[in-house]
Formats: sequence, C-alpha cells, structure tokens
Amino acid sequence: GESVGLHLPTLSVQEGDNSIINCAYSNSASDYFIWYKQESGKGPQFIIDIRSNMDKRQGQRVTVLLNKTVKHLSLQIAATQPGDSAVYFCAEYNAGNMLTFGGGTRLMVKP
Amino acid sequence: NAGVTQTPKFQVLKTGQSMTLQCAQDMNHEYMSWYRQDPGMGLRLIHYSVGAGITDQGEVPNGYNVSRSTTEDFPLRLLSAAPSQTSVYFCASTRAGLPNYGYTFGSGTRLTVV
Repeated sequence: GESVGLHLPTLSVQEGDNSIINCAYSNSASDYFIWYKQESGKGPQFIIDIRSNMDKRQGQRVTVLLNKTVKHLSLQIAATQPGDSAVYFCAEYNAGNMLTFGGGTRLMVKP
Repeated sequence: NAGVTQTPKFQVLKTGQSMTLQCAQDMNHEYMSWYRQDPGMGLRLIHYSVGAGITDQGEVPNGYNVSRSTTEDFPLRLLSAAPSQTSVYFCASTRAGLPNYGYTFGSGTRLTVV
C-alpha cells in the first residue's frame, strides 16, 4: 500500500552543525506534507509544511525540500541545538485530510 | 485555549476489561483522529471523524469504537482490552481544508494491558 518512510532511524550531530533528515514517500498523488517533532513523552508538534506545488519552504532555522521526481522530502535544521533532540516524522495527507506517518528519525545533538 | 486534552494520561487494564479514552478540543476543529504509537514506531491511524455524527475507520480499527456526538469530543472505546493494545494513544484535531498546518495533537494516553 501507499506509505511514507524514512531512510535513517538515528542521526547524531554536533551542536552547531546543520542536520538533514530524509523521508521517502510513495503516494505520488499526495499534495501536502508535514514535518513533526516529537519530544520524549509528548505528542507530535508541527514544525513546517509544504504543498506539492513548491520545491522549498523555509521557517525559522528549518527548511523543507520536496523533490517530486524521486518522491523525496528532507528537513534541514540549521545550527542544531540540544533542544532539537527529538524524533522527527514526516507525514503526508491522503484523501480526506488523513495523515500517514513515516517511522521516524531520532536526532541526537552532541554538546 | 487548552488545545487537545486527553484523559487519563496513564492507565493499566487487565485483559478483557473495557475503558474509554477521552479526547476534547476547544478549537472548533471539524476533523478529529485517534492514533496509536508503539515503541520506536510511527503513528498509526485507528479511527477518524470529519464532523459531528460522522466517523470512519483508519488503518488499525479492530478492537476500538468511536463516536462523535459533538464537535468538541471524540472518545475512543476499547471493548475488551488485549495485551496487543498496549501503546501510547494520541488524539488530534484540525480544521477542514488546506493548508491547515496539520493536526494538533494531545499529550497522549499511555495504556498498558496486562
């Protein structure tokens, strides 16, 4: 079936470095994607979204890139901080505004 | 605004017991959903609702019932708890239409079935 998945289960980066978290999706009809951040013991929090008619969207220290040709999403975090340590999920919207989540990537920031 | 409120935060059930997980939102969102999250996994959709009086099944609906009598509330019922239902349950809501900045999630209910 259609699914959203992630390449790397764990990413370890040095504080201050940039982080890149990747996600592959398989439903070419999806037109809206979201990155969520989930800290331990909490629910997912919205980080940034992107529509399929865009290639790039920037927020505060975060950038999402969408490559529709290869059905790939990435989340870039600039100047990674200890507070960025969390599990990151990409999610896509299917018919009816329902979210399909990927398996998650754990980001660990080393001081 | 309280956002999405889930109760209880923690629950231990014996196999075969039933219970209701409560979810309420005060944002007048049309859409509400229940997800479960198993250790080290992503979230899987159990049931969802696009408005009061309307519910539908998600990816893993077996063993769960829902109802949506009001816009604000979306309770999840476990009919006869099984150890396989040990998980963290998240309720979420969003407004209809795009872009909508995704779902707002509650803080979760950690359920253990023994």
